[in-house]
Amino acid sequence: DTGVSQDPRHKITKRGQNVTFRCDPISEHNRLYWYRQTLGQGPEFLTYFQNEAQLEKSRLLSDRFSAERPKGSFSTLEIQRTEQGDSAMYLCASSSGVSPYNEQFFGPGTRLTVL
Amino acid sequence: QKEVEQNSGPLSVPEGAIASLNCTYSDRGSQSFFWYRQYSGKSPELIMFIYSNGDKEDGRFTAQLNKASQYVSLLIRDSQPSDSATYLCAVNMEMDSSYKLIFGSGTRLLVRP
Repeated sequence: DTGVSQDPRHKITKRGQNVTFRCDPISEHNRLYWYRQTLGQGPEFLTYFQNEAQLEKSRLLSDRFSAERPKGSFSTLEIQRTEQGDSAMYLCASSSGVSPYNEQFFGPGTRLTVL
Repeated sequence: QKEVEQNSGPLSVPEGAIASLNCTYSDRGSQSFFWYRQYSGKSPELIMFIYSNGDKEDGRFTAQLNKASQYVSLLIRDSQPSDSATYLCAVNMEMDSSYKLIFGSGTRLLVRP
């Protein structure tokens, strides 16, 4: 399978715990994006990497959220001290960076439930 | 004003009919536009993108773009029950000094057998 993969697919945690999600992009893609999607809404941009550099971070993203892409391949998204409002689907997408049109391909997502 | 607007639906069409899904966007400088299909509980799947005014056809799908009116649409011909899903319009917009995809809230399509 050469698509975007994410792990875990589901995560249930208690309020106040830390969680970490992983994303493996399509192998030749140098751009990687994280989005959050809640019920009835479209994906909302969180952050963006080109290779290992984090180039953009949404102003909506609190300090409890951090993302890394240490070697320009896979990425991790960590949420510290989770809150019930963090419950959502966390989506990762990648794009090649060669096309000017920025078509992005999504992974299956990680569904987070904070109790 | 939302940057990308879609009617939430549901849009209900009979099997075999043409489904027409519409999207408007706020940024006149946007250059590329995308339609994603999302089944319930699944992630978005890219089905088409368009960057020139006019029509772009791919099988049963036709994307239409009118930059002057800031309007994008998706036509699905010969609709099938398996087309029942939420269709997300996304626009590549310049915000905060970089381009990013801005999504609408999606239109739910129901194709009745």
